[in-house]
Amino acid sequence: ETGVTQTPRHLVMGMTNKKSLKCEQHLGHNAMYWYKQSAKKPLELMFVYNFKEQTENNSVPSRFSPECPNSSHLFLHLHTLQPEDSALYLCASSQAATDYEQYFGPGTRLTVT
Amino acid sequence: AQKVTQAQTEISVVEKEDVTLDCVYETRDTTYYLFWYKQPPSGELVFLIRRNSFDEQNEISGRYSWNFQKSTSSFNFTITASQVVDSAVYFCALSEASGTDKLIFGTGTRLQVFP
Repeated sequence: ETGVTQTPRHLVMGMTNKKSLKCEQHLGHNAMYWYKQSAKKPLELMFVYNFKEQTENNSVPSRFSPECPNSSHLFLHLHTLQPEDSALYLCASSQAATDYEQYFGPGTRLTVT
Repeated sequence: AQKVTQAQTEISVVEKEDVTLDCVYETRDTTYYLFWYKQPPSGELVFLIRRNSFDEQNEISGRYSWNFQKSTSSFNFTITASQVVDSAVYFCALSEASGTDKLIFGTGTRLQVFP
């Protein structure tokens, strides 16, 4: 595997379900990110991890819970989501958390029913 | 406040035409970085270029070129002799050296290249 991978690519879940999104980077980077991309809205940064430490939480509701066990893996745990949470969730990584270009995964298309 | 504006929501051209995508940014920092990303229909954002605020030289990479002008706070992107494979959404983004670990994206410009 190369670059940034995300699983699953598509996810449909009910509002009472609990699911997790997984991201893995094979680039030797130290920073990882979660973004949300909704229709007709700018890309929204959700969380930033730098050397496994969370350095940014962009006022994300607690129903989204990130986890970064090491610099190569990033999870987004989801529970009791709302229909408006349906979106494309993108993971990215960069050499460090400041100023470096970010490399993105293909995204997980999430639909909350 | 930091902000990136891409006023062109959608552009349609015919193959082989040149097209310029506009990007205007706002920042109070003197040190900052500008980026362009391409998002094809598959969804994955592809990094195209990173430029720091001290380097105003224009850059050319094949059919792609970028025009950075600090005087007008613009970082425009031109595709020469466009091709159908250039069809995608293009995002301009800004990060400030003194700021948080944030990359601020514009709303994107959807480019459609017709054969």
